[in-house]
Amino acid sequence: AQSVTQLDSQVPVFEEAPVELRCNYSSSVSVYLFWYVQYPNQGLQLLLKYLSGSTLVKGINGFEAEFNKSQTSFHLRKPSVHISDTAEYFCAVSGPGGYQKVTFGIGTKLQVIP
Amino acid sequence: EAGVTQSPTHLIKTRGQQATLRCSPISGHTSVYWYQQALGLGLQFLLWYDEGEERNRGNFPPRFSGRQFPNYSSELNVNALELEDSALYLCASSFGLAGLYFGAGTRLSVL
Repeated sequence: AQSVTQLDSQVPVFEEAPVELRCNYSSSVSVYLFWYVQYPNQGLQLLLKYLSGSTLVKGINGFEAEFNKSQTSFHLRKPSVHISDTAEYFCAVSGPGGYQKVTFGIGTKLQVIP
Repeated sequence: EAGVTQSPTHLIKTRGQQATLRCSPISGHTSVYWYQQALGLGLQFLLWYDEGEERNRGNFPPRFSGRQFPNYSSELNVNALELEDSALYLCASSFGLAGLYFGAGTRLSVL
């Protein structure tokens, strides 16, 4: 069984400040990890993914995440946020067999304050 | 390249009715997944179809069902609608390990 915990339900941050959205997972097997973003009234868009290799993963819109196996974490970071980053962010984990058992976190709402 | 398309965008039904939601995956994607996103509950996995077969289902009652057509498009049916079925229903498609690609969703409101 696998699970995902997003530690913050809401994160307010001022424009141009850095942000970190936290995600911890648990799994008995090796995992694939993902971050998705959902803008209001839209579906989810893939920001970045970790499948293997380098533990620092760069994604779209200036976001990056670091896979830390010992801490079972996959935190999402951006050095300087914009108003347009206001959205809900979902961390997800799947086993090596593919996406049939993707588990999503409950989501973190990022609110960028002008 | 067209993304995942879902129809209708909004659907209003009354309790006890049936709802049919449709999804067209990205061209070349053979797997389709359905998720329910209810307020405060995050994304809950509903169904997975691949190559026309139901491969897995989440913890939902049998009145949630669906199918996948030869062109890989998919339909989700919800029978005997209940008020708590009101949610955003998201469809996603995938091929290999590229990731899940989501549609914009169908907002189902049960009155």
